[in-house]
Amino acid sequence: DSGVTQTPKHLITATGQRVTLRCSPRSGDLSVYWYQQSLDQGLQFLIQYYNGEERAKGNILERFSAQQFPDLHSELNLSSLELGDSALYFCASSPTGERDTQYFGPGTRLTVL
Amino acid sequence: SQQGEEDPQALSIQEGENATMNCSYKTSINNLQWYRQNSGRGLVHLILIRSNEREKHSGRLRVTLDTSKKSSSLLITASRAADTASYFCATVISGAGSYQLTFGKGTKLSVIP
Repeated sequence: DSGVTQTPKHLITATGQRVTLRCSPRSGDLSVYWYQQSLDQGLQFLIQYYNGEERAKGNILERFSAQQFPDLHSELNLSSLELGDSALYFCASSPTGERDTQYFGPGTRLTVL
Repeated sequence: SQQGEEDPQALSIQEGENATMNCSYKTSINNLQWYRQNSGRGLVHLILIRSNEREKHSGRLRVTLDTSKKSSSLLITASRAADTASYFCATVISGAGSYQLTFGKGTKLSVIP
């Protein structure tokens, strides 16, 4: 158990819908990262937050957005969902958001029908 | 885009044998990390090796890093059936101003009892 929690575990929804994925980092970690894992693209970095501020952006679509709240939990919002958005979405956290180990949550499996 | 490329893509060995996985990357790195993922589950951090280190050990794991060849290897000694999983290398690119992990496509290891 990494100490990072993600909810929900599974999510099944229809195209065009909007969903919110939630992540609670390990106690004391200030940085949160979001990654997407799909069969064709592999594991891809989406976005990083550090202490409430966006720090880095990766291959995140404009239909996706995220935020980190004062209590350091983070949410990833996915809207206008397409079939291709079906994937595992992982959240990771690290103490400083710099050159340290990232601890991954169990993931949310999103299925878009 | 993938920074790391693992080789082989899949590896099948008998319990008790050693397993070696290789990772090559393209740009200068700050550190390289190896993760394990059991089927469809979260990523478990195994080991982090910094760019100024050449070798690191953790239990039955041995990681080497050759920055001149831009490559790393993960050796699992005396493998067990429980080691069956996918193994990913991930790099933190130096000088990028952010510290997200860039993953390879992984090596699928099967350890046959």
